[in-house]
Amino acid sequence: DSGVTQTPKHLITATGQRVTLRCSPRSGDLSVYWYQQSLDQGLQFLIQYYNGEERAKGNILERFSAQQFPDLHSELNLSSLELGDSALYFCASSVDGLNNQPQHFGDGTRLSIL
Amino acid sequence: GDSVTQMEGPVTLSEEAFLTINCTYTATGYPSLFWYVQYPGEGLQLLLKATKADDKGSNKGFEATYRKETTSFHLEKGSVQVSDSAVYFCALTGRSGGSNYKLTFGKGTLLTVNP
Repeated sequence: DSGVTQTPKHLITATGQRVTLRCSPRSGDLSVYWYQQSLDQGLQFLIQYYNGEERAKGNILERFSAQQFPDLHSELNLSSLELGDSALYFCASSVDGLNNQPQHFGDGTRLSIL
Repeated sequence: GDSVTQMEGPVTLSEEAFLTINCTYTATGYPSLFWYVQYPGEGLQLLLKATKADDKGSNKGFEATYRKETTSFHLEKGSVQVSDSAVYFCALTGRSGGSNYKLTFGKGTLLTVNP
């Protein structure tokens, strides 16, 4: 058990819809990361938050947004969903986002767009 | 930008065989290097890490040495077990902007160990 909790485990929805993925980091971790895992793109970094503030953006679409709340949990919002958004979305957390700190991953949310 | 290249699978071995999964990287600066493992239906678990050149990470019989001269971080295990069957990802942390870091992953290598 990594200590990172993601909900829900599975989401099935239709094109054009909007969903929210939730992540609770490990106790004591201030930095939260979101990654997307798909068959064609592999694991890709989406966005990072540190103590409530956005710190870095990766390959995140404009239809996607995220935030980190004062209690440090984070939500990833995906809107105007397309078939290609079907993927496994992982949240990870680390103590402070420094280079040598490992990131600990949740079990992911599997998003299926019908 | 940063990149990680690892040997493509799938890799199929018999129990007690020797395992090597090759990983090379391209990065600016001095990245930290990691191996993660993903068991079926689960998230990624940190297997081992190395933060500077010549460091050796080890865990559960797996080892990898940070070789700056060859920009490599090959994963090895002397005797694999059926329970080692999983997907293995090599990764590095590189700067994502300012003083922030993100993980860049290889494409993963599927390992199947047969009894």
